[in-house]
Amino acid sequence: DAKTTQPTSMDCAEGRAANLPCNHSTISGNEYVYWYRQIHSQGPQYIIHGLKNNETNEMASLIITEDRKSSTLILPHATLRDTAVYYCIVLSGSARQLTFGSGTQLTVLP
Amino acid sequence: ETGVTQTPRHLVMGMTNKKSLKCEQHLGHNAMYWYKQSAKKPLELMFVYNFKEQTENNSVPSRFSPECPNSSHLFLHLHTLQPEDSALYLCASSQDGRGQDTQYFGPGTRLTVL
Repeated sequence: DAKTTQPTSMDCAEGRAANLPCNHSTISGNEYVYWYRQIHSQGPQYIIHGLKNNETNEMASLIITEDRKSSTLILPHATLRDTAVYYCIVLSGSARQLTFGSGTQLTVLP
Repeated sequence: ETGVTQTPRHLVMGMTNKKSLKCEQHLGHNAMYWYKQSAKKPLELMFVYNFKEQTENNSVPSRFSPECPNSSHLFLHLHTLQPEDSALYLCASSQDGRGQDTQYFGPGTRLTVL
């Protein structure tokens, strides 16, 4: 599976959009980009995933560049409850194991 | 209840105890997973069950014994554990265990082995 690179930490003001970047320059054609988050000592929470096209759901938007080498997770109106570690994962067609890297610690500030 | 539930949420046990962790999913999924998450270590896949059959065992020591009586329930039986087994144990489920099959996690059981 392709390796991902994320910033270690980010801050965001409450009510503003949080934009979390992820680089996955070695991604291959059949690999999806997944985003999960984990609040301290809780189970990981699925956020969104995509292959080529931008995706949006009730939690977030996922913007994938045309060359698919990077993506951005957007939380449109961050709240204090969005403070968590956010993981960007690339999964191949046969992979079942989720491998979390170090992720980005997002802190939403009041 | 919705989603994936796990009980107990916290467990403290001695090395000679026998205990079980329980996971239940209410999503109509057919695949269930056990993961271990230790402090400052990556998430480790332990077992995968697909339609009640074990399809993956990632070289997990025999002191961890999984059981999947049906597609909605998954157990992890623990006996003669070691202090290094202290971790957050996470259960997940997905539709049918295929690759790129979105996994949904439970809240985890925080296990401490004394």
